[in-house]
Amino acid sequence: GAGVSQTPSNKVTEKGKYVELRCDPISGHTALYWYRQSLGQGPEFLIYFQGTGAADDSGLPNDRFFAVRPEGSVSTLKIQRTERGDSAVYLCASSSQGVGDYTFGSGTRLTVV
Amino acid sequence: AQSVTQPDIHITVSEGASLELRCNYSYGATPYLFWYVQSPGQGLQLLLKYFSGDTLVQGIKGFEAEFKRSQSSFNLRKPSVHWSDAAEYFCAVGPGGATNKLIFGTGTLLAVQP
Repeated sequence: GAGVSQTPSNKVTEKGKYVELRCDPISGHTALYWYRQSLGQGPEFLIYFQGTGAADDSGLPNDRFFAVRPEGSVSTLKIQRTERGDSAVYLCASSSQGVGDYTFGSGTRLTVV
Repeated sequence: AQSVTQPDIHITVSEGASLELRCNYSYGATPYLFWYVQSPGQGLQLLLKYFSGDTLVQGIKGFEAEFKRSQSSFNLRKPSVHWSDAAEYFCAVGPGGATNKLIFGTGTLLAVQP
């Protein structure tokens, strides 16, 4: 596609439920990133994929968070046993090369009630 | 640890006036520096970046930024602001290395008065 697509754009879930957030990167981009943006804050790094493998998952806050990219294209961020503190905008970005040369998606706004 | 500080949470300027948004960073070596803009409901868009070389960097939409090593700053400027520039602006530093992840500041929200 022309840009990075994230679905859903909005997700409301109950505390304790499981959610999946999807990112469809630009075709051919090998690098894929997930960031989380809380209200009034800048984006915070979660995880980086190079191809199918997670090259850096140091930003995942705890073991309730997990992400996959099985075929080196689409990625899914999975959150188990959601908590109200998980409410944020989850941003995905992809890149073909270079530091910081990302294309960001519009994000998924997750609200845990 | 690497960090980015944007001292101004909110700035209001008149249309046609000049703009400067401040950014200070903390990093042990010469960092990669970026400015992104985020409009409501939109993804982050890269305005410009500095890796090395000329310390004055030109970007899109008429923006420029100057890297000043002695002040650990990378301020964003525009000579004449347009109403469409109203958005949130984020400075970021890229430590580089194997992951290319960025560390973002908390952002500056720009309002433009007619």
